[in-house]
Amino acid sequence: SQQGEEDPQALSIQEGENATMNCSYKTSINNLQWYRQNSGRGLVHLILIRSNEREKHSGRLRVTLDTSKKSSSLLITASRAADTASYFCFLMTTDSWGKFQFGAGTQVVVTP
Amino acid sequence: GAGVSQSPRYKVAKRGQDVALRCDPISGHVSLFWYQQALGQGPEFLTYFQNEAQLDKSGLPSDRFFAERPEGSVSTLKIQRTQQEDSAVYLCASSLVRDTEAFFGQGTRLTVV
Repeated sequence: SQQGEEDPQALSIQEGENATMNCSYKTSINNLQWYRQNSGRGLVHLILIRSNEREKHSGRLRVTLDTSKKSSSLLITASRAADTASYFCFLMTTDSWGKFQFGAGTQVVVTP
Repeated sequence: GAGVSQSPRYKVAKRGQDVALRCDPISGHVSLFWYQQALGQGPEFLTYFQNEAQLDKSGLPSDRFFAERPEGSVSTLKIQRTQQEDSAVYLCASSLVRDTEAFFGQGTRLTVV
């Protein structure tokens, strides 16, 4: 079963716009990681945020974490066509030793 | 190595055939994970190793699936008597320790015909 749930399932935007997607979860976490997966390719690590952090930035990416609401958001600013991909949140939970869970993903399409 | 390497990249197996998928993690990484990803779905956890110890294998779908990491580096995922429902991409990931970034390989796409 997948413990993280991304929202929305799909997102279509134009180049230059911002894209925001959310990840909700039910258990306690050590950290939460965001990944990008292009069609037919592997998962690329984007950013890791720990449970004691609230916000992190990496280039055009901004991740927030609200442990009281058990949710995280990924913001991509000034999107580009190359940002077209599926985005997954990945949970390192505290309640199981190694069962790190993915959500089902948000499919983002950026049109020129 | 520079990244997580998986082989083969593609495997076509006849139903009933045994297959072995290999994962070379990043050198020095203690944690190793296997995931199964069906088309259009997120990756599903299969099993987790810390060095050579298999600490969690609760995601393995049946006793036809077996994973090992005998020397704490390279890992092999073996599927016996493959079935059509085993068709998926099998992803391997490694991390330095449990609570750090996990890096994924390109995966092995298994097609059972």
